[in-house]
Amino acid sequence: KQEVTQIPAALSVPEGENLVLNCSFTDSAIYNLQWFRQDPGKGLTSLLLIQSSQREQTSGRLNASLDKSSGRSTLYIAASQPGDSATYLCAVKYNFNKFYFGSGTKLNVKP
Amino acid sequence: NAGVTQTPKFQVLKTGQSMTLQCAQDMNHEYMSWYRQDPGMGLRLIHYSVGAGITDQGEVPNGYNVSRSTTEDFPLRLLSAAPSQTSVYFCASSLQEGANYGYTFGSGTRLTVV
Repeated sequence: KQEVTQIPAALSVPEGENLVLNCSFTDSAIYNLQWFRQDPGKGLTSLLLIQSSQREQTSGRLNASLDKSSGRSTLYIAASQPGDSATYLCAVKYNFNKFYFGSGTKLNVKP
Repeated sequence: NAGVTQTPKFQVLKTGQSMTLQCAQDMNHEYMSWYRQDPGMGLRLIHYSVGAGITDQGEVPNGYNVSRSTTEDFPLRLLSAAPSQTSVYFCASSLQEGANYGYTFGSGTRLTVV
């Protein structure tokens, strides 16, 4: 079974810092990789989708990269804000019924 | 365009009761799926559908039934609720399968079985 790992499990940073969240996967034959944000007690909000043929995607202060050969993706958040505090999940799609989630990184941005 | 709508948001059941979790999307998405989210276990796929009339099992299907009579709706039925089914349930949809398409999630149903 494919595995998706996210490190660190939790991260606390002061406001304004740039930070990197990591996602690794064991099988490099992916369709795409998607980063989500989940606020406490809420659903999942899609942040970025990277197709297997792409190297990175950007949206505002967020930049996600993909290195299939090494089985890694990173989510870069620039100039972090307290409103960025949430759990960030990465999910890797292999097939229509094979979409695996990491366990998430819980981010706390301190004012 | 409401996206993916799940009802109810919260539910408490007694062991042995049955109920249906509703999921509806208005984006004309072909693919729909149900996940459960448990602490330390992440999100796990329960059932999925690639179109009206077509459903299949995911990773943890036992104790759940689904049907897909329309493109818009994909209800999840708990046949005889057990405490192990206490979880947060998410419905997700995608326009089509393939590398170009990501998933849209509903806001979830928090279910407690006592």
